[in-house]
Amino acid sequence: QVQLQESGPGLVKPSQTLSLTCTASGGSISSGGYYWSWIRQHPGKGLEWIGYIYYSGDTFYNPSLKSRATISVDTSKNQFSLRLISVNAADTAVYYCASMLWSWYFDLWGRGTLVTVSS
Amino acid sequence: QSALTQPPSASGSPGQSVTISCTGTSSDVGNYHYVSWYQQHPGKAPKLMIYEVSKRPSGVPDRFSGSKSGNTASLTVSGLQAEDEADYYCSSSAVSNNLIFGGGTKLTVL
Repeated sequence: QVQLQESGPGLVKPSQTLSLTCTASGGSISSGGYYWSWIRQHPGKGLEWIGYIYYSGDTFYNPSLKSRATISVDTSKNQFSLRLISVNAADTAVYYCASMLWSWYFDLWGRGTLVTVSS
Repeated sequence: QSALTQPPSASGSPGQSVTISCTGTSSDVGNYHYVSWYQQHPGKAPKLMIYEVSKRPSGVPDRFSGSKSGNTASLTVSGLQAEDEADYYCSSSAVSNNLIFGGGTKLTVL
């Protein structure tokens, strides 16, 4: 059973770049069939899909974040990553990595990591 | 694209049934069969409960069922149990290869 674990700084200053990594264990992200995704949840609020990457490197993003988000993959490390530029307080959220199937559902989630944007 | 509309809260007594709605538009729920439902307990990651409108992943009790009519999808929890108390979120694929979530429903077991 694949497990996902997010890692990265818990505090980012306004206007800087948020960088998170998701490490998969117990399986290979190169095995195909999964779209490796990032989702966030603002404190006390609902979920927001950020985007996904396929192991081949193909990406797709939520139009509302497309200009600031970049998802990349490192198959040698069994990891995929999120970069979000020019952050502000509205980017404070719990960030989850998850695996998505072709019919747009997330079958596996990481535990999530809280990122706070503050000076 | 706006979030799917869910009631903020729902409740029922143990053993009863409760249905949570998820209303979208013809650009998402109404045009795609890719509606999913997630259960989230406080401080935990969401858990997949229903996918492709009405399919249940292995391990999810058959007390949970999903359906769709027009632009509205629904999650029904039958035989309510205390452990069903949680937040529930729907999601749907949408035009332009997008995915949107509902605002969430807090289910209370009385």
